[in-house]
Amino acid sequence: AQSVTQLGSHVSVSEGALVLLRCNYSSSVPPYLFWYVQYPNQGLQLLLKYTTGATLVKGINGFEAEFKKSETSFHLTKPSAHMSDAAEYFCAVSRAGGTSYGKLTFGQGTILTVHP
Amino acid sequence: EAGVVQSPRYKIIEKKQPVAFWCNPISGHNTLYWYRQNLGQGPELLIRYENEEAVDDSQLPKDRFSAERLKGVDSTLKIQPAELGDSAVYLCASSTTGTGLEAFFGQGTRLTVV
Repeated sequence: AQSVTQLGSHVSVSEGALVLLRCNYSSSVPPYLFWYVQYPNQGLQLLLKYTTGATLVKGINGFEAEFKKSETSFHLTKPSAHMSDAAEYFCAVSRAGGTSYGKLTFGQGTILTVHP
Repeated sequence: EAGVVQSPRYKIIEKKQPVAFWCNPISGHNTLYWYRQNLGQGPELLIRYENEEAVDDSQLPKDRFSAERLKGVDSTLKIQPAELGDSAVYLCASSTTGTGLEAFFGQGTRLTVV
């Protein structure tokens, strides 16, 4: 079975500060990894994804994430937070094979608050 | 190009009543997902379709929930009868493959059961 753990249900940063949202996954086969953002009363929007190849992936709005197989992590970062980044962020894992083929499994979410 | 369209956006019903949600995926997307998102939690998969075939419905409470995707396009998720614990946001998503790559989500239907 695959699973995702997001460390910290709430993260608060000042505007202009580094954003770091942590995600660890478990998967018995190489995973596909995703970060989604959800604004209030909205659906989920894909920020970035890792499938194969380069382990540092860049997404929209200045976010990036690094796949570290040895640490089973896929942490999301942004060098400088903006007020508009305030939202809930979800890490998710999927696989191209195995019993969880095609199943996108989400973490519990991290609410990011940005202070002026 | 239109995104995933869901309706209604909000629904309030009394317990024991039936309710139905509708989803129109992005044109050309053969994979359709229904997720339930409880307050303060991540989405949980209810059912996944590849075209008109339900390939993963292991998390769907089949005693009260049903879904269909006729002609492999639009989909309907039904609850009958609804219970208080069914209050949640029901999200529909679609993608071009079954791997979850590039899954696009609708805005969801917020169900409140009173």
